[in-house]
Amino acid sequence: QKEVEQNSGPLSVPEGAIASLNCTYSDRGSQSFFWYRQYSGKSPELIMSIYSNGDKEDGRFTAQLNKASQYVSLLIRDSQPSDSATYLCAVKESSYKLIFGSGTRLLVRP
Amino acid sequence: NAGVTQTPKFRILKIGQSMTLQCAQDMNHNYMYWYRQDPGMGLKLIYYSVGAGITDKGEVPNGYNVSRSTTEDFPLRLELAAPSQTSVYFCASSYSEAYTDTQYFGPGTRLTVL
Repeated sequence: QKEVEQNSGPLSVPEGAIASLNCTYSDRGSQSFFWYRQYSGKSPELIMSIYSNGDKEDGRFTAQLNKASQYVSLLIRDSQPSDSATYLCAVKESSYKLIFGSGTRLLVRP
Repeated sequence: NAGVTQTPKFRILKIGQSMTLQCAQDMNHNYMYWYRQDPGMGLKLIYYSVGAGITDKGEVPNGYNVSRSTTEDFPLRLELAAPSQTSVYFCASSYSEAYTDTQYFGPGTRLTVL
Protein backbone atom coordinates (compact mmCIF):
# COMPACT_ATOMS: atom_id res chain seq x y z
CA GLN A 1 0.00 0.00 0.00
CA LYS A 2 1.61 3.24 -1.14
CA GLU A 3 1.55 5.88 1.55
CA VAL A 4 1.99 9.59 2.04
CA GLU A 5 2.74 10.69 5.58
CA GLN A 6 2.28 14.12 7.14
CA ASN A 7 2.36 15.39 10.71
CA SER A 8 -1.23 16.31 11.56
CA GLY A 9 -0.21 19.34 13.65
CA PRO A 10 -1.38 21.85 14.44
CA LEU A 11 1.75 23.76 13.49
CA SER A 12 1.51 27.16 15.15
CA VAL A 13 3.69 30.05 13.95
CA PRO A 14 3.57 33.81 14.60
CA GLU A 15 2.62 36.17 11.82
CA GLY A 16 5.62 37.00 9.63
CA ALA A 17 7.49 33.77 10.44
CA ILE A 18 8.40 30.94 8.08
CA ALA A 19 6.12 27.91 8.23
CA SER A 20 7.71 24.60 7.25
CA LEU A 21 5.45 21.71 6.29
CA ASN A 22 6.84 18.25 5.62
CA CYS A 23 5.73 15.13 3.79
CA THR A 24 7.28 11.70 3.17
CA TYR A 25 6.18 9.14 0.63
CA SER A 26 6.74 5.42 0.20
CA ASP A 27 6.84 4.91 -3.60
CA ARG A 28 10.38 5.57 -4.81
CA GLY A 29 9.14 5.70 -8.41
CA SER A 30 6.84 8.70 -7.88
CA GLN A 31 7.44 11.59 -10.26
CA SER A 32 4.89 14.26 -9.38
CA PHE A 33 4.20 15.99 -6.11
CA PHE A 34 1.56 18.52 -5.22
CA TRP A 35 0.62 20.74 -2.31
CA TYR A 36 -3.03 21.63 -1.82
CA ARG A 37 -4.44 24.14 0.66
CA GLN A 38 -7.82 23.39 2.20
CA TYR A 39 -9.70 25.92 4.27
CA SER A 40 -12.21 24.56 6.77
CA GLY A 41 -15.38 23.45 4.97
CA LYS A 42 -13.90 24.11 1.52
CA SER A 43 -12.41 22.01 -1.24
CA PRO A 44 -8.66 21.50 -1.82
CA GLU A 45 -6.96 24.18 -3.89
CA LEU A 46 -3.67 23.56 -5.70
CA ILE A 47 -0.89 25.90 -4.59
CA MET A 48 2.33 24.21 -5.73
CA SER A 49 3.56 21.34 -7.85
CA ILE A 50 7.11 20.00 -8.14
CA TYR A 51 8.65 17.30 -10.31
CA SER A 52 12.45 17.66 -10.04
CA ASN A 53 14.85 17.53 -7.13
CA GLY A 54 15.56 20.90 -5.58
CA ASP A 55 13.54 23.99 -4.86
CA LYS A 56 10.68 25.64 -6.72
CA GLU A 57 9.56 29.11 -5.68
CA ASP A 58 6.25 30.85 -6.34
CA GLY A 59 5.74 34.09 -4.44
CA ARG A 60 5.85 33.39 -0.71
CA PHE A 61 5.76 29.61 -1.30
CA THR A 62 8.74 27.32 -1.88
CA ALA A 63 8.40 23.60 -2.53
CA GLN A 64 11.43 21.39 -1.92
CA LEU A 65 11.87 17.87 -3.25
CA ASN A 66 14.46 15.25 -2.31
CA LYS A 67 13.72 12.02 -4.16
CA ALA A 68 16.64 10.13 -2.59
CA SER A 69 15.15 10.75 0.85
CA GLN A 70 11.55 10.49 -0.44
CA TYR A 71 10.78 13.80 1.14
CA VAL A 72 8.88 16.86 -0.04
CA SER A 73 8.32 20.05 1.91
CA LEU A 74 6.52 23.37 1.61
CA LEU A 75 7.90 26.60 3.06
CA ILE A 76 5.63 29.61 3.52
CA ARG A 77 7.54 32.85 4.08
CA ASP A 78 6.07 35.89 5.84
CA SER A 79 3.15 33.77 7.09
CA GLN A 80 -0.18 35.57 7.32
CA PRO A 81 -3.29 34.70 9.36
CA SER A 82 -5.01 34.02 6.01
CA ASP A 83 -2.55 31.14 5.50
CA SER A 84 -4.20 29.29 8.40
CA ALA A 85 -5.58 26.14 6.76
CA THR A 86 -4.86 22.45 6.32
CA TYR A 87 -2.14 21.66 3.79
CA LEU A 88 -2.44 18.38 1.92
CA CYS A 89 0.53 16.71 0.29
CA ALA A 90 -0.36 14.56 -2.74
CA VAL A 91 1.82 12.19 -4.74
CA LYS A 92 0.92 10.86 -8.17
CA GLU A 93 0.87 7.06 -7.90
CA SER A 94 0.18 6.47 -11.59
CA SER A 95 -0.72 8.56 -14.61
CA TYR A 96 -4.01 9.62 -13.07
CA LYS A 97 -4.18 8.55 -9.42
CA LEU A 98 -3.21 10.85 -6.56
CA ILE A 99 -2.40 9.56 -3.09
CA PHE A 100 -3.10 12.15 -0.41
CA GLY A 101 -1.61 12.58 3.02
CA SER A 102 -3.96 13.31 5.89
CA GLY A 103 -2.84 16.95 5.99
CA THR A 104 -1.06 19.32 8.36
CA ARG A 105 -3.11 22.00 10.06
CA LEU A 106 -1.32 25.36 10.11
CA LEU A 107 -2.26 28.15 12.53
CA VAL A 108 -0.73 31.60 12.04
CA ARG A 109 -1.04 33.71 15.19
CA PRO A 110 -1.56 37.49 14.67
CA ASN B 1 -15.99 28.56 -17.01
CA ALA B 2 -17.76 27.24 -13.92
CA GLY B 3 -15.05 24.58 -13.46
CA VAL B 4 -16.23 21.56 -11.47
CA THR B 5 -19.72 21.83 -10.00
CA GLN B 6 -21.42 19.52 -7.51
CA THR B 7 -24.99 19.21 -6.25
CA PRO B 8 -26.35 19.08 -3.66
CA LYS B 9 -24.13 20.95 -1.16
CA PHE B 10 -25.64 19.20 1.84
CA ARG B 11 -27.85 16.15 2.30
CA ILE B 12 -29.16 14.08 5.18
CA LEU B 13 -30.17 10.51 4.42
CA LYS B 14 -31.78 7.82 6.50
CA ILE B 15 -30.16 4.39 6.70
CA GLY B 16 -31.13 2.34 3.66
CA GLN B 17 -32.06 5.28 1.44
CA SER B 18 -30.39 5.87 -1.91
CA MET B 19 -29.25 9.02 -3.65
CA THR B 20 -27.15 10.33 -6.53
CA LEU B 21 -24.47 12.96 -6.12
CA GLN B 22 -24.12 15.02 -9.26
CA CYS B 23 -20.83 16.25 -10.71
CA ALA B 24 -20.23 18.21 -13.90
CA GLN B 25 -17.22 19.95 -15.44
CA ASP B 26 -17.05 22.37 -18.36
CA MET B 27 -13.28 22.25 -18.96
CA ASN B 28 -13.42 19.37 -21.48
CA HIS B 29 -11.40 17.22 -19.10
CA ASN B 30 -11.12 13.54 -19.92
CA TYR B 31 -10.43 12.29 -16.41
CA MET B 32 -12.88 12.56 -13.53
CA TYR B 33 -12.70 11.31 -9.96
CA TRP B 34 -14.78 10.85 -6.84
CA TYR B 35 -13.17 11.14 -3.42
CA ARG B 36 -14.45 11.01 0.11
CA GLN B 37 -12.88 12.86 3.02
CA ASP B 38 -13.58 11.84 6.58
CA PRO B 39 -12.88 14.32 9.44
CA GLY B 40 -9.15 14.90 9.96
CA MET B 41 -8.25 12.59 7.12
CA GLY B 42 -6.93 12.90 3.61
CA LEU B 43 -8.93 12.11 0.50
CA LYS B 44 -9.69 8.53 -0.47
CA LEU B 45 -10.43 7.68 -4.10
CA ILE B 46 -13.80 5.98 -4.62
CA TYR B 47 -14.07 5.70 -8.42
CA TYR B 48 -12.48 7.31 -11.41
CA SER B 49 -13.14 7.59 -15.14
CA VAL B 50 -10.67 8.07 -18.00
CA GLY B 51 -13.37 8.98 -20.52
CA ALA B 52 -17.02 8.58 -21.43
CA GLY B 53 -18.09 4.97 -20.94
CA ILE B 54 -14.95 3.97 -18.99
CA THR B 55 -14.89 3.77 -15.21
CA ASP B 56 -12.85 1.88 -12.63
CA LYS B 57 -12.70 1.32 -8.89
CA GLY B 58 -10.48 3.30 -6.60
CA GLU B 59 -9.43 2.56 -3.04
CA VAL B 60 -12.87 2.53 -1.33
CA PRO B 61 -15.58 1.60 -3.91
CA ASN B 62 -17.88 -0.56 -1.77
CA GLY B 63 -21.39 0.84 -1.45
CA TYR B 64 -21.05 3.15 -4.47
CA ASN B 65 -21.62 3.04 -8.20
CA VAL B 66 -20.78 5.40 -11.03
CA SER B 67 -21.52 5.92 -14.68
CA ARG B 68 -20.08 8.25 -17.30
CA SER B 69 -22.25 8.66 -20.36
CA THR B 70 -20.83 12.07 -21.35
CA THR B 71 -17.48 13.85 -20.99
CA GLU B 72 -19.06 16.48 -18.77
CA ASP B 73 -20.96 14.44 -16.18
CA PHE B 74 -19.87 11.87 -13.61
CA PRO B 75 -22.63 11.03 -11.10
CA LEU B 76 -22.00 8.94 -7.97
CA ARG B 77 -24.76 6.65 -6.77
CA LEU B 78 -25.16 5.53 -3.16
CA GLU B 79 -27.34 2.48 -2.72
CA LEU B 80 -28.59 1.49 0.74
CA ALA B 81 -26.93 4.32 2.65
CA ALA B 82 -25.06 3.39 5.84
CA PRO B 83 -23.71 5.59 8.68
CA SER B 84 -20.16 4.71 7.51
CA GLN B 85 -20.88 6.72 4.36
CA THR B 86 -21.22 9.93 6.36
CA SER B 87 -18.47 12.05 4.82
CA VAL B 88 -17.67 14.94 2.53
CA TYR B 89 -17.59 13.93 -1.11
CA PHE B 90 -15.43 15.73 -3.65
CA CYS B 91 -15.52 15.38 -7.39
CA ALA B 92 -12.39 16.31 -9.35
CA SER B 93 -11.23 16.40 -12.94
CA SER B 94 -8.00 16.58 -14.92
CA TYR B 95 -7.26 17.02 -18.60
CA SER B 96 -4.81 14.23 -19.29
CA GLU B 97 -2.61 11.54 -17.80
CA ALA B 98 0.55 13.62 -18.13
CA TYR B 99 2.61 13.46 -14.95
CA THR B 100 2.54 17.26 -14.75
CA ASP B 101 -1.23 17.40 -14.93
CA THR B 102 -3.13 17.97 -11.72
CA GLN B 103 -6.68 17.65 -10.50
CA TYR B 104 -9.21 20.41 -9.93
CA PHE B 105 -11.83 19.95 -7.27
CA GLY B 106 -15.49 20.82 -6.97
CA PRO B 107 -16.93 22.46 -3.84
CA GLY B 108 -18.00 19.18 -2.24
CA THR B 109 -21.18 17.54 -0.93
CA ARG B 110 -21.53 17.07 2.81
CA LEU B 111 -23.54 13.89 3.43
CA THR B 112 -24.88 12.69 6.76
CA VAL B 113 -26.50 9.25 7.13
CA LEU B 114 -28.62 8.81 10.25
